[in-house]
Amino acid sequence: SQQGEEDPQALSIQEGENATMNCSYKTSINNLQWYRQNSGRGLVHLILIRSNEREKHSGRLRVTLDTSKKSSSLLITASRAADTASYFCATDNSGNTPLVFGKGTRLSVIA
Amino acid sequence: GAVVSQHPSRVICKSGTSVKIECRSLDFQATTMFWYRQFPKKSLMLMATSNEGSKATYEQGVEKDKFLINHASLTLSTLTVTSAHPEDSSFYICSAREGGTSAQFFGPGTRLTVL
Repeated sequence: SQQGEEDPQALSIQEGENATMNCSYKTSINNLQWYRQNSGRGLVHLILIRSNEREKHSGRLRVTLDTSKKSSSLLITASRAADTASYFCATDNSGNTPLVFGKGTRLSVIA
Repeated sequence: GAVVSQHPSRVICKSGTSVKIECRSLDFQATTMFWYRQFPKKSLMLMATSNEGSKATYEQGVEKDKFLINHASLTLSTLTVTSAHPEDSSFYICSAREGGTSAQFFGPGTRLTVL
């Protein structure tokens, strides 16, 4: 069942701007992961943040996790047209259960 | 990193036929595999969890007689869509988990179109 909820559902920005996407979840988690999916393609794993971590960086990506609010954010800095894709958060509740995906944010970066 | 493959990547079939989709872990042993379904512009919905050598566990609302899952070996799981109908047209994605770890690795997906 879906538990992650991303917002906004769709986001359109100019190239060079920063894009922020948020994700909320309902139950306790082991870790939270962000994925990217280009239209009609498979998932690309972006970053994993564990429940005891608050912030993580990877290149132009910055992920935060607030377990007290059961929320996470993904920031893409200096966006590029190639960043245009759908972005999903997924929660791992125990390490033995399947990832549960949010509804996703469709990001459009306009050159 | 761990690689998961799916075959075929794209399939078009007539209504009423059955279609088999294979999911393979190429460089690790997957004790657990998951099958997801994704409609256009929607998120991934978990269909079922399969453990090697045992029956799959289906999510609520997923017909086990329509979506047959077999996980006969530690590197292969198959999803068979039986008597396919146009409403079964979707993007099917598998993922695999290596025994003793929590990491899930995703296949590239299979686009099924039922005419």
